[in-house]
Amino acid sequence: QKEVEQDPGPLSVPEGAIVSLNCTYSNSAFQYFMWYRQYSRKGPELLMYTYSSGNKEDGRFTAQVDKSSKYISLFIRDSQPSDSATYLCAMSGNQFYFGTGTSLTVIP
Amino acid sequence: EAQVTQNPRYLITVTGKKLTVTCSQNMNHEYMSWYRQDPGLGLRQIYYSMNVEVTDKGDVPEGYKVSRKEKRNFPLILESPSPNQTSLYFCASSFGGGSQETQYFGPGTRLLVL
Repeated sequence: QKEVEQDPGPLSVPEGAIVSLNCTYSNSAFQYFMWYRQYSRKGPELLMYTYSSGNKEDGRFTAQVDKSSKYISLFIRDSQPSDSATYLCAMSGNQFYFGTGTSLTVIP
Repeated sequence: EAQVTQNPRYLITVTGKKLTVTCSQNMNHEYMSWYRQDPGLGLRQIYYSMNVEVTDKGDVPEGYKVSRKEKRNFPLILESPSPNQTSLYFCASSFGGGSQETQYFGPGTRLLVL
């Protein structure tokens, strides 16, 4: 069983839609939960970072962690064409583990 | 500008020919790491280094070597590359070795082993 599972998509939505991206994990020792955004031909860049269960909001982005269900989500409100990218969830205990990434396209 | 640089960005080589991919960061970060990214498998950690002269294996270290003689540099060495090492490689760095630190990624090195 993989440490982190993420639906690869691809996901295609119209501009302005609410996007929901999700990951599940198996290791209850994970303490830190992150979302990275990766544009084509670029390295991943950190988007959101959370430590505990609950919600964290940053502009149009909300990260949600449910440790009891081992489930994390990223919500994007009012999605824009510039949000088109691959979104990677990541989590860590002693090491970093990444999901496979979800490809998102926002259509103008 | 704070950044992680990798060289080369693209490399085509043949089986068995030793190669080195360089990684350098100018942020005085202690923690550095190498990942490979493959379709359907995501990012997998190869090796990481908590500080100078301290390195540890990640999930997929076989066929790779690293060294950390200086804080800013963390080269990845493939002594005898094989076709299954064809991949996209990323170097990353962060301030501390704690897993809560934000990692900054380089632009990637695309390697093809024939």
